[in-house]
Formats: sequence, structure tokens, C-alpha cells
Amino acid sequence: DVKVTQSSRYLVKRTGEKVFLECVQDMDHENMFWYRQDPGLGLRLIYFSYDVKMKEKGDIPEGYSVSREKKERFSLILESASTNQTSMYLCASSLWRTSTDTQYFGPGTRLTVL
Amino acid sequence: DQQVKQNSPSLSVQEGRISILNCDYTNSMFDYFLWYKKYPAEGPTFLISISSIKDKNEDGRFTVFLNKSAKHLSLHIVPSQPGDSAVYFCAASGFYNNNDMRFGAGTRLTVKP
Repeated sequence: DVKVTQSSRYLVKRTGEKVFLECVQDMDHENMFWYRQDPGLGLRLIYFSYDVKMKEKGDIPEGYSVSREKKERFSLILESASTNQTSMYLCASSLWRTSTDTQYFGPGTRLTVL
Repeated sequence: DQQVKQNSPSLSVQEGRISILNCDYTNSMFDYFLWYKKYPAEGPTFLISISSIKDKNEDGRFTVFLNKSAKHLSLHIVPSQPGDSAVYFCAASGFYNNNDMRFGAGTRLTVKP
């Protein structure tokens, strides 16, 4: 059974803190994604990665960076957290890049920045 | 700029009846459309998809209809069951890349016993 896990379900941080969100997939997938979900806006892509050490910006990369040192792990980094980064963060993975390759999502991390 | 819109934040139906969830898109370059289902405390899971060369795709109780001229798709659930209660996201992308997928805001479906 496919599995995408995220390090925390809930996280509370203070403004200016450096925040790490971790995602691990056990399906040997090439592609991994980070989205944020906000009420009324759906899921918006922050960054994605097609391979180890490869990364591409999504629609809203400002204020975020990512790291993919191993195929199974994709980290989202908030260098200096701000209150407008309070959101639900969802990680996903897919085998390949085409649209027919299903994206499998983790359960999400709800981040609150005070 | 939201290219995929789900205008109904919520929908409530009686068990056994039909649920119809709607989705509109603005980008005529979209070639592939999907529905995801999300239960509380879980990530979205893929439900059903349709490519632009079709106007209907069926999988058990779930059918997706695509009207390209109207830039509209809908998800029909027949018959609806209480276990279908979830948030449903519509998504669209070009055919060759899943990194340009655009998601709607979601519709919360409640199926009452």
C-alpha cells in the first residue's frame, strides 16, 4: 500500500523561526510536491522535485525553500516564518511526471505561526 | 487567478439520492481533469479522472462528465452513501505534466442517512 508520511500533524511556531516540514514516501516515486491548502483557495503548489537534488518552483515559492537529498525524502523549509504562512501543508508524490500519474498525498501538517 | 473554481462550498444530500458536484475552469489548455476526495485528518486521495478526448468516464457509483465548450465538469455519485461524506476537490492540468495541476477550493459533501 502506498504511503506518504509527514513529520507532524500540528505545529506551532513563532514569527521569525526557521521551520522544517518533512515528508517521506515509501513508493520509490521520482516526483515529490509541496502544496499549501487555504480556505477558499484550494491547493497551491509551492515547490516540486523531479529527482534527487532537483527542485523547481511552483506557483507560490516566495518565503520557502526545499531540500531533496534522498529520493524518498522531501523537506520544506520556512527560513523565517511569518503569520501569513499559517496554513495546511500537504506533501505528495507521483511515479512520473505525466498528468495520468496519480499524486499520492500525505495527511498534512497544520502549521500555525504566532 | 483561480483557474479552477468550485462555486459550491458545501452540498447536502439524502442517502440513496444523487450527488452532483460541479467544477468550472478557465484555461482552455487543460487536457486532463481529476477529482480527489479528502476525509478529515487524511490527505486527498484520487477518485476519478477524464481526459479531454472524452465527455464521460464511469467508475462504479462515480461518473465524471466533461463539457469542453462550457469549460465545465461535474461529478455524479449514484447512489450516495454516508461514507461518501468528504471534501471533493476538482483538479485540472495539461496532459504531459502533473506539476501544473490546478485545484479548486473544494466542496464539502454531507450524505445524511
